[in-house]
Amino acid sequence: GDSVTQMEGPVTLSEEAFLTINCTYTATGYPSLFWYVQYPGEGLQLLLKATKADDKGSNKGFEATYRKETTSFHLEKGSVQVSDSAVYFCALSSSGGGADGLTFGKGTHLIIQP
Amino acid sequence: EAQVTQNPRYLITVTGKKLTVTCSQNMNHEYMSWYRQDPGLGLRQIYYSMNVEVTDKGDVPEGYKVSRKEKRNFPLILESPSPNQTSLYFCASSSQGLRSTEAFFGQGTRLTVV
Repeated sequence: GDSVTQMEGPVTLSEEAFLTINCTYTATGYPSLFWYVQYPGEGLQLLLKATKADDKGSNKGFEATYRKETTSFHLEKGSVQVSDSAVYFCALSSSGGGADGLTFGKGTHLIIQP
Repeated sequence: EAQVTQNPRYLITVTGKKLTVTCSQNMNHEYMSWYRQDPGLGLRQIYYSMNVEVTDKGDVPEGYKVSRKEKRNFPLILESPSPNQTSLYFCASSSQGLRSTEAFFGQGTRLTVV
């Protein structure tokens, strides 16, 4: 079945550091790919998405490129802020049959220190 | 304001005592879904609904029931809760299923079964 693998944290960085959170996936067909963010005590919010190969999703300074050849969707940000501290989930949506919904990675807890 | 509202936010109950977690959305979305979030496992889908009176099992449906009598509401029912259902639960909705559209999540319900 479909699966998503992402680095598990916590990942601790200093403010203004460069961020990469790796995400790779296994899926049949051509899934859409997402990054969701969960701030403390809140539900998940869509951060960015890409629906086909070579698409780049971007939002709030974060970027991720859909790489079909490496089945990856790594999240990057050039200069992180304390307010970026959260849990980040990589996810894919099934394009084949079966249960309709998102398959999530286990989440990466990001901590940004001032 | 577009939102998904879950109640209650926190619940402690005893084994075997039936409970319902409510979920309501005000965006006229056809698609609604329930997830549970557990440490080290990420989010897993319990049930989903493509429209009124249409529900289907996700990846972990055992021990849960749902109903979709109205478009805006999608309650999660635990007929006889057990300690292994202690978890953080999220309701989500979207306009066309989760494959390429943004999912909106509620703030979560933290359930403890003792």
